[in-house]
Amino acid sequence: GAVVSQHPSWVICKSGTSVKIECRSLDFQATTMFWYRQFPKQSLMLMATSNEGSKATYEQGVEKDKFLINHASLTLSTLTVTSAHPEDSSFYICSARHEARRGGGTGELFFGEGSRLTVL
Amino acid sequence: GEDVEQSLFLSVREGDSSVINCTYTDSSSTYLYWYKQEPGAGLQLLTYIFSNMDMKQDQRLTVLLNKKDKHLSLRIADTQTGDSAIYFCAESMVGGGFKTIFGAGTRLFVKA
Repeated sequence: GAVVSQHPSWVICKSGTSVKIECRSLDFQATTMFWYRQFPKQSLMLMATSNEGSKATYEQGVEKDKFLINHASLTLSTLTVTSAHPEDSSFYICSARHEARRGGGTGELFFGEGSRLTVL
Repeated sequence: GEDVEQSLFLSVREGDSSVINCTYTDSSSTYLYWYKQEPGAGLQLLTYIFSNMDMKQDQRLTVLLNKKDKHLSLRIADTQTGDSAIYFCAESMVGGGFKTIFGAGTRLFVKA
């Protein structure tokens, strides 16, 4: 099946530093990837839609300058949390849609394993 | 706006059936999904149903869709301890790049 890999799976950083999280589709191409944030015991909050070769589309309330998204290739999207603060500590999950299945497919999303960010 | 709601917690005994319920608001949904999330992991698609279907069965899983009431349910037969996880209901919109909206998740606890 389609595989999406996230790296790092967990990261601890000091307040004020920036952290980059990578999301890769390992065996398929994805022109669209999605970044979610999940708080403990809560649902996934869609942060932004990452579009290959163009600017990301951010959901209302998500700071574009805070959460930088780059989708430079058909298999890689990155999320950079800039000038991180303790309130940015969370579980970040990416997902991708299998392009080959999009036309006649189910819209199924394939998820990465998630990246747990802790900002001290 | 779009909204997906589901109960937050369900506890059942091993061997019993589990029924997780979900309601959604967007009538233009094309697909409705059930995803499973185990602790510290990403989500995995369990099953899905197209919005013009009423029911779908896949081994121990049965999905029922009441389009009139915008109600979706997931029944897990012969629930096992390995089924303990968080189950997310989600709907996918027509257009908008298949934007998917998730419910808050139902935490299923299976007692041995």
